[in-house]
Amino acid sequence: DQQVKQNSPSLSVQEGRISILNCDYTNSMFDYFLWYKKYPAEGPTFLISISSIKDKNEDGRFTVFLNKSAKHLSLHIVPSQPGDSAVYFCAASAGVSGSRLTFGEGTQLTVNP
Amino acid sequence: KAGVTQTPRYLIKTRGQQVTLSCSPISGHRSVSWYQQTPGQGLQFLFEYFSETQRNKGNFPGRFSGRQFSNSRSEMNVSTLELGDSALYLCASSRDGRSYNEQFFGPGTRLTVL
Repeated sequence: DQQVKQNSPSLSVQEGRISILNCDYTNSMFDYFLWYKKYPAEGPTFLISISSIKDKNEDGRFTVFLNKSAKHLSLHIVPSQPGDSAVYFCAASAGVSGSRLTFGEGTQLTVNP
Repeated sequence: KAGVTQTPRYLIKTRGQQVTLSCSPISGHRSVSWYQQTPGQGLQFLFEYFSETQRNKGNFPGRFSGRQFSNSRSEMNVSTLELGDSALYLCASSRDGRSYNEQFFGPGTRLTVL
């Protein structure tokens, strides 16, 4: 039972344009959502998070949007840079489960110069 | 501030053997979680330790176990290794393990079972 899904295994964008990565979840108990970036041979690196009481959170070039009614979140990267090329994981946690994260399958983002 | 460290980085074992992996969290962090990453299953939660107690456990067989020491360092052990245990094992630390605390991941241990 995949409770967090990233339906696009890969995404390719041009440098300077917007990258939009999507994530859907099914568990209504999830109340905290995170995005991680992962380069090969490294562990995931935290990017940005959002609590279920908000619908938007911004940090520099990164913005996460949460649509609770649709159980959908998205990560916008503007402008995209070649260094952003990596695998992006969406993750969710439920307050009752503490720090246990449920991850999506990941989306490989490639930003072309 | 030093990040999360994991040792060893790479390991090759044969079926039936056992293995112990180590994780040192960021100084001051008391929660350590372990994850398994495989191409087919993605990143899956193994267990979490907080103050030397297992606080949360994922859906893995009893061959997978762990412990945490008083200095918050953690080890995980896999007994009777199977080919399917080949994976990247990641540990993550956070201050107190509450869901809104950011988790910091180590580089992982790549385990290959032959």
